[in-house]
Amino acid sequence: EAGVVQSPRYKIIEKKQPVAFWCNPISGHNTLYWYLQNLGQGPELLIRYENEEAVDDSQLPKDRFSAERLKGVDSTLKIQPAELGDSAVYLCASSFGTNEQFFGPGTRLTVL
Amino acid sequence: GQQLNQSPQSMFIQEGEDVSMNCTSSSIFNTWLWYKQDPGEGPVLLIALYKAGELTSNGRLTAQFGITRKDSFLNISASIPSDVGIYFCAGQSFQGAQKLVFGQGTRLTINP
Repeated sequence: EAGVVQSPRYKIIEKKQPVAFWCNPISGHNTLYWYLQNLGQGPELLIRYENEEAVDDSQLPKDRFSAERLKGVDSTLKIQPAELGDSAVYLCASSFGTNEQFFGPGTRLTVL
Repeated sequence: GQQLNQSPQSMFIQEGEDVSMNCTSSSIFNTWLWYKQDPGEGPVLLIALYKAGELTSNGRLTAQFGITRKDSFLNISASIPSDVGIYFCAGQSFQGAQKLVFGQGTRLTINP
């Protein structure tokens, strides 16, 4: 069974540029999560989807971050414009309901 | 908000030694999870605990859900080089809408 797929694995951009990350969850998993992981820290939830609905986006900085999961399967997380402090690893995870979450490999973003 | 205190932050041990790490919280959790993260990868689930007092093993790994529901520990017996990595505890509660809260991680280094 394929795991959570994320792309790209690495992204280097200049500040003020836009960037987008893509995630495809494990087949059959209706719940999808985006996490932010800063260096030396544990992951922190940005947004959680149940099917197409964002049920928890309280930690998403909505002035520059947006996310979508239009068909309830894959998802895109966007930052526009990126700031230096956005450099981090962006992790996607999926689960069936609120059961155990399985993580993708992450996208490492560097903002110069 | 909910916070987890994970200790120790780092460990340097000899191959073959046993390892013990723990997590404590000011809040009650109904689920405790332990993850391992290798460099450049996402966290991988090791053990899930669902009941206060529960003791669960996965090979050389043993984890327990504290009776107070505010703590958990992970033990690794007879460590081997592939145990190197960062271990995260994570707690999940009904009050937090099943949001997963992570500890800061324990970095394990093994000298052969």
